[in-house]
Amino acid sequence: AQTVTQSQPEMSVQEAETVTLSCTYDTSESDYYLFWYKQPPSRQMILVIRQEAYKQQNATENRFSVNFQKAAKSFSLKISDSQLGDAAMYFCAYRSTSNFGNEKLTFGTGTRLTIIP
Amino acid sequence: NAGVTQTPKFQVLKTGQSMTLQCAQDMNHNSMYWYRQDPGMGLRLIYYSASEGTTDKGEVPNGYNVSRLNKREFSLRLESAAPSQTSVYFCASRVQTGRQPQHFGDGTRLSIL
Repeated sequence: AQTVTQSQPEMSVQEAETVTLSCTYDTSESDYYLFWYKQPPSRQMILVIRQEAYKQQNATENRFSVNFQKAAKSFSLKISDSQLGDAAMYFCAYRSTSNFGNEKLTFGTGTRLTIIP
Repeated sequence: NAGVTQTPKFQVLKTGQSMTLQCAQDMNHNSMYWYRQDPGMGLRLIYYSASEGTTDKGEVPNGYNVSRLNKREFSLRLESAAPSQTSVYFCASRVQTGRQPQHFGDGTRLSIL
């Protein structure tokens, strides 16, 4: 079974600075997807960014980018120019491609990000 | 532009009471999921449904039942609620193609006294 580990329960960053959230995972599969979800106090689960394991190029979405290291099984999220609206719980998630119909997400325990004005 | 709709948003139950959480999606997705979120933990899969008429157990199915009523609706039932089922429940859906992500509802906060 796959596992996802987020070793930083809490992080804080000064507004306009850059912060990196860590995520490692364990799998024996070669093809899979990785995601970062944001959960603000409103409780919504919002997709931030996704990465296909077969792609070597790191995904980017505006101020959000990832550092995907497949051999090291590491998938960190970098937030540039941090804004107050980035304050939230961030979850790293893994999805297998091998179980058609049950492409369930395996989540890490989350990192609570605080933005300091 | 509703996406995934969950009802109710909040509920308080007494131990032993029964309750059904409703979920509906309007995106024509095949797969639907129920997760629970507990403090200090990520979301954990309770049940999923790959298509209308099929359901399967996830990681933490004990104490729950589900019904995939049609393609749009996937309900979660607690037959005899226990305090250990106090949690936030999320429904999600997904189209079964490649890189498409799961779309989540806004969650139901359920407290069992």
